[in-house]
Amino acid sequence: AQSVTQLDSHVSVSEGTPVLLRCNYSSSYSPSLFWYVQHPNKGLQLLLKYTSAATLVKGINGFEAEFKKSETSFHLTKPSAHMSDAAEYFCVVSGSGGYQKVTFGTGTKLQVIP
Amino acid sequence: SQTIHQWPATLVQPVGSPLSLECTVEGTSNPNLYWYRQAAGRGLQLLFYSVGIGQISSEVPQNLSASRPQDRQFILSSKKLLLSDSGFYLCASSVTGGTGELFFGEGSRLTVL
Repeated sequence: AQSVTQLDSHVSVSEGTPVLLRCNYSSSYSPSLFWYVQHPNKGLQLLLKYTSAATLVKGINGFEAEFKKSETSFHLTKPSAHMSDAAEYFCVVSGSGGYQKVTFGTGTKLQVIP
Repeated sequence: SQTIHQWPATLVQPVGSPLSLECTVEGTSNPNLYWYRQAAGRGLQLLFYSVGIGQISSEVPQNLSASRPQDRQFILSSKKLLLSDSGFYLCASSVTGGTGELFFGEGSRLTVL
């Protein structure tokens, strides 16, 4: 079984300040973990992914996430928020095999204040 | 990487009318295919997934159905729409035997009146 919990439904930051979006997961095997971003009325775009290689993963647009097995966490960070980062972010856990069961978190809406 | 084409982008339909949303995939063969729905203010709900032509699994009982007539074509249908079918529908694909990374289409906004 697998699950993912996004600890904040809304996060508000000022432009130029750091971003932290929290995600905890549960999995009975070694999972793959992803962060996706969704702008209003758009599809989801992959920000970054962890697939059992380096635990610190760098993604697009300056985002990164660290896989911490002991804490079962995969928090998303960015040193300095930009107005264009305002969107909804989804943490996702996936299994392995021919068909990979994919479980989405409930999403975190990021607001960036000018 | 994969490219997902999804249409129509928006549609407004009366209650009781039929529905057909179509999705095609480029850049891969034998993908896993998915239909998700986002209702207003809610997360993503998996409706259907398919691991091959003619193979459809339903995650949620409802008046919607899905079909996969070709390897890279996935169709979401309804014979009679309900008000509760309103939402944002997303088609996605993944590589069979891969990591589970999903590639999404741009979505279809359905409003049922």
